Order: sequence, then C-alpha cells, then structure tokens
Amino acid sequence: DTEVTQTPKHLVMGMTNKKSLKCEQHMGHRAMYWYKQKAKKPPELMFVYSYEKLSINESVPSRFSPECPNSSLLNLHLHALQPEDSALYLCASSIGAGANVLTFGAGSRLTVL
Amino acid sequence: GIQVEQSPPDLILQEGANSTLRCNFSDSVNNLQWFHQNPWGQLINLFYIPSGTKQNGRLSATTVATERYSLLYISSSQTTDSGVYFCAVVRSNYQLIWGAGTKLIIKP
Repeated sequence: DTEVTQTPKHLVMGMTNKKSLKCEQHMGHRAMYWYKQKAKKPPELMFVYSYEKLSINESVPSRFSPECPNSSLLNLHLHALQPEDSALYLCASSIGAGANVLTFGAGSRLTVL
Repeated sequence: GIQVEQSPPDLILQEGANSTLRCNFSDSVNNLQWFHQNPWGQLINLFYIPSGTKQNGRLSATTVATERYSLLYISSSQTTDSGVYFCAVVRSNYQLIWGAGTKLIIKP
C-alpha cells in the first residue's frame, strides 16, 4: 500500500460546527504532516507529528486541533472556523525526519460558510 | 531564510512539445524535491534530487547544487502533464520551503 487516504474529500461547515478531517497511511511512515493550501499558492505547513508526538506547530490558531491516535492515523479537528479557513487541506507522510520523500493524500476541500 | 524562485510562472504548450522548468534557490540545500499537482489537487512527488540527474520516463531532473538551481524537463508533453509543478527545498527537519510553482497547460 503506497497511498495516503484522506476523508472526506469535500466538507462544508458553518462557523459554529465541529468537524474532523482524517488521514491514514499504511506504509510504515513515522512522520505525518498537515498542510493548508489556498488557491494558486503552494502548500503551507501546519503541523508535523513524528513517532506520534507533535513536533512542529506552525503557530496555527487553536481552532485547528491535530491528533495522532497511532502511527497510521492523523486527524485534524475543526471548531469555530472562519470563512478564510476555506482551503484544501493536505495530509502527507514520510519515512522519518528530514522531510524525505513526501507522499501526499488527495486532500480535503473545506468550505466554511 | 532560503528563497526559492520558479520560472516561468505560466507555460502553455501544444501536446507533443518539450519543456524546461527552472528552480533557483538562494542558499545551499541538502534536499530538493519536484512535485506535480494535478487540476484536482493531488500532489505527486516526482523527484528527490539534491544533486545530479534523474530520469523517470518522459520526465527528467537535474540539480546543480553548486550553482543553486534545478531543472525539470518534460518531453513529448501529454494533456495529463497539465497542472502546477512545484520545487521545494528543505530548511530543517520536516520543513520544506516551496517555490510559487509553474502552471503548465498542455493543449490537445
């Protein structure tokens, strides 16, 4: 299995909703990432988990809450989002440290109304 | 910090044409990657190429680390090559610095 699977593919939510994005990989990778991508821009790093521990938080607002229940799963919990948070959210994984070859999921496209 | 610049920003070609995309970076790096993002948002890692030349089918990449640039060659373009091509370099563990991308449109 050489894939990173993200669900849902599309999500529409109101500013008072609570929702979650999910990411799963079974490649034995020990680093997992959340990126945010706005239209016509490169991805922006949000969080990195290494060996299931949060290694990097790029000063992301607390309305985004990451969780890594085990080495194969990565969640992003969303609460009280703003319309400007609408974007493509990408999950990625790599074998280990050093941002070695990243494998990306297909993304979850989020719209906040 | 390290700056990554890609050129050209946009490129429109007919199917079958060849193209060269460039990535310049402002400081020495240990890790450079090329990605293709298709129109539906899927990002695919094309090459991990800190130096030297690699080839994969119709695509090849060359990085000249001493001169701080990398080139991505696409030969005999197909419509499925359309999308945005990004290069990215490693700043530190886990963290990539991305170029702004080259948007490629291949017309049938």
